[in-house]
Amino acid sequence: GAVVSQHPSRVICKSGTSVKIECRSLDFQATTMFWYRQFPKQSLMLMATSNEGSKATYEQGVEKDKFLINHASLTLSTLTVTSAHPEDSSFYICSVGTSGYEQYFGPGTRLTVT
Amino acid sequence: QQQVKQSPQSLIVQKGGISIINCAYENTAFDYFPWYQQFPGKGPALLIAIRPDVSEKKEGRFTISFNKSAKQFSLHIMDSQPGDSATYFCAAGFRAAGNKLTFGGGTRVLVKP
Repeated sequence: GAVVSQHPSRVICKSGTSVKIECRSLDFQATTMFWYRQFPKQSLMLMATSNEGSKATYEQGVEKDKFLINHASLTLSTLTVTSAHPEDSSFYICSVGTSGYEQYFGPGTRLTVT
Repeated sequence: QQQVKQSPQSLIVQKGGISIINCAYENTAFDYFPWYQQFPGKGPALLIAIRPDVSEKKEGRFTISFNKSAKQFSLHIMDSQPGDSATYFCAAGFRAAGNKLTFGGGTRVLVKP
């Protein structure tokens, strides 16, 4: 399957600042990437679908101005959490969608907002 | 319509035993059913997946059983090992939705040595 990396693996930021998370597809040209968030002991919640060269599609209830997604190339998508607040603290995970149905996930980024 | 319900929430099994996790879905448009394994602090890893044109798929110690009429599918982990202790998620997707996946709530499996 596709190999996916995320950077950083952990980040701590102060309330009100912005944080950028990178998701890279290392061995596959991904036209579609997905961003999820996961709270402790909970399931994965899809935030948005990121399509290369076009605007991301956000799930209902996800603020597009707060969670900025850029998919500028076939190997890189970024998620920027703007004006982060403690309630944004979560585990953010990206995945790469293949030409079939499969999704391969990155290792995740733990965001803590103080 | 988009929900996937997973049970049980947690499971304890002895080494060598069988772990069984069940999922049920509502939307008959779903046509792809993967299972993911997740260890603490890591991203989910694709374990095994099935399409609705088959009733069973086996890969090593992992088997998916699929019942289209009942809209249910399950994961069986045979000869469970302590290294299988993880959280398992079922999911469902369909191409018309851009291959988006809807995840079940997860099952925490603990295999006791």
